[in-house]
Amino acid sequence: GAVVSQHPSWVICKSGTSVKIECRSLDFQATTMFWYRQFPKQSLMLMATSNEGSKATYEQGVEKDKFLINHASLTLSTLTVTSAHPEDSSFYICSASEGGADTQYFGPGTRLTVL
Amino acid sequence: DAKTTQPTSMDCAEGRAANLPCNHSTISGNEYVYWYRQIHSQGPQYIIHGLKNNETNEMASLIITEDRKSSTLILPHATLRDTAVYYCIVGYFGNEKLTFGTGTRLTIIP
Repeated sequence: GAVVSQHPSWVICKSGTSVKIECRSLDFQATTMFWYRQFPKQSLMLMATSNEGSKATYEQGVEKDKFLINHASLTLSTLTVTSAHPEDSSFYICSASEGGADTQYFGPGTRLTVL
Repeated sequence: DAKTTQPTSMDCAEGRAANLPCNHSTISGNEYVYWYRQIHSQGPQYIIHGLKNNETNEMASLIITEDRKSSTLILPHATLRDTAVYYCIVGYFGNEKLTFGTGTRLTIIP
């Protein structure tokens, strides 16, 4: 299957700082990328959908000014958590889909801990 | 998106076939059935998907009932590395969002 990478795999930051997470499709062009968040012992919750060259579509309850998403190329999307707080500590996972494909592939996830 | 219902947990003996059921009675005609699994602290791994016909790949088989209201994922010879949470999801296409339920926690017993 297709390969999606994320960087970093884990990050610890101080409250009030911003953190950027990268999601890359390594062997295909991802016209659509998705960002999910997963709290301990819970399922994945979709945060936003991004299409290359367009503004992201955020799910209800997700603050677009706090979670900045950029999908500037067909192989890279970034999620920036601005002014992070301890409640933003979570496992952030991206997925990617090639245009016309019928499957999404997920990255390995990024564990964010805000102190 | 149509919702799915899965058992919360299941056990299976190592080497035996693991059969994971999923109900999706409100599935629409052009929605696919997807199966992913998530091993602890990793991103979900794609397993298999299907629309109407049964499907098989190197990982698993997917059996979809004729009325498409339910399906079963079959892992033919379960190993300890198959211990994971298995998610059954229905969705329209690869570039459409997927809604994850709580999944089935499958434990393979030595």
